Formats: sequence, structure tokens, C-alpha cells
Amino acid sequence: EPEVTQTPSHQVTQMGQEVILRCVPISNHLYFYWYRQILGQKVEFLVSFYNNEISEKSEIFDDQFSVERPDGSNFTLKIRSTKLEDSAMYFCASSVNSRPGRSYEQYFGPGTRLTVT
Amino acid sequence: QKEVEQNSGPLSVPEGAIASLNCTYSDRGSQSFFWYRQYSGKSPELIMFIYSNGDKEDGRFTAQLNKASQYVSLLIRDSQPSDSATYLCAVNIPTNTDKLIFGTGTRLQVFP
Repeated sequence: EPEVTQTPSHQVTQMGQEVILRCVPISNHLYFYWYRQILGQKVEFLVSFYNNEISEKSEIFDDQFSVERPDGSNFTLKIRSTKLEDSAMYFCASSVNSRPGRSYEQYFGPGTRLTVT
Repeated sequence: QKEVEQNSGPLSVPEGAIASLNCTYSDRGSQSFFWYRQYSGKSPELIMFIYSNGDKEDGRFTAQLNKASQYVSLLIRDSQPSDSATYLCAVNIPTNTDKLIFGTGTRLQVFP
């Protein structure tokens, strides 16, 4: 069964460093998302991406964050200068379809645990 | 009012019983409703989705949606210890978006 994959599974970085989190969405999916979950808290939306551009972003997704689809399979989240409060699980998700006002099933990858020291 | 509300639990049920998990949401126009299961330290796993009022059954799982009451529930029949996890309700809020807003989740414990 196709699944979303993410690398690395765990990333430790120092405050102020740049990190890139990688995702390979399900192959026939066209809509991509990043969510994060701080330990003990709820899953939060960061950004959605379609047709090589951001569809929507949350207040969390400030200028330190960027997303890219560098080739036909990878989808990346970059944090330019990490802060302690960026420590969280980052989940990539993908969906085969979407339209205004209707979410379709979003399938999550296993996540990357980011620890900022 | 919180956008998506769930009782955090834990909800404890004996093996073989029906577990009933509930969720309310704030935006009357929401059209997409999802239940995810999350084991500790793992990612959310989609187990049910429902778009229309009424019941939707898939194996031991039944999702129920009542848009007038802004209420969605998940029933798990014949609960097993392996069902012990946190169940997350997710809804598209606001209605003109495809982003999902998650509740805090209900922790379910199924004891033998």
C-alpha cells in the first residue's frame, strides 16, 4: 500500500541552524501539507502546497519557514534559523484531491522529530 | 468556543465493549470530518472519514455525523487492547479551506 515517507526520523540541531525536513508524498497525490505537533499538544496545520505554490499557510509559518518541491517526488520544509520552540514532531501529509470548502483524505507520514538545543 | 473539541479522557472500556468517542466543532459550514488514530510517539493514521449526515460503517468502526448539532462521533465495536490509542477528530475549518483543524484527542484504554 502506498505511503508517505519522511526523512530523517530524528534531527537534532543547534539553535540558529538551518534544517531541511524531507518528505516523499504518495505518488499520485497532488496536494501536500506540513503539520506539526509539539509534545503533548494537538496537531497544528503549517502550510498547504499545490501546483508548485503555497495554497495556504498558518500564523506559525513565518518567514523562517519555506517549502519546496525540488523534483517530481520530494517535498521539503526548511527552517532557516531554528529556535528552541521549533522543537516538535513535523508531519508531512498528502491528498489526491482538494477543492474549496472540501478536504479530502489526508495521509500522514511517520514524522520527523526535530530537537533544537 | 474552541474550533474542535474532544474530551481528553482517558476513556476506559473492557475488551469486547463498544467505545464511543465524541467531537464537536464550531463552524456550521464544515463539510469534511476525519478520525485519526495516534499511538504514542507515532503519526496520525486515518481510520474513518465522513462527509454526509448519518452513519458510515467500516468493519468495527462507525462514524456518525450530525451537522445540525455540529457533532461527529466514532464507535468502535468489539474493542481490543490494540485499539488503545489517542483518537483525533479533524475538521476543515474554516469552510473555504482544505486545512484540517484537529482536536486535542481522546485517549482510549481497552483493558482485558
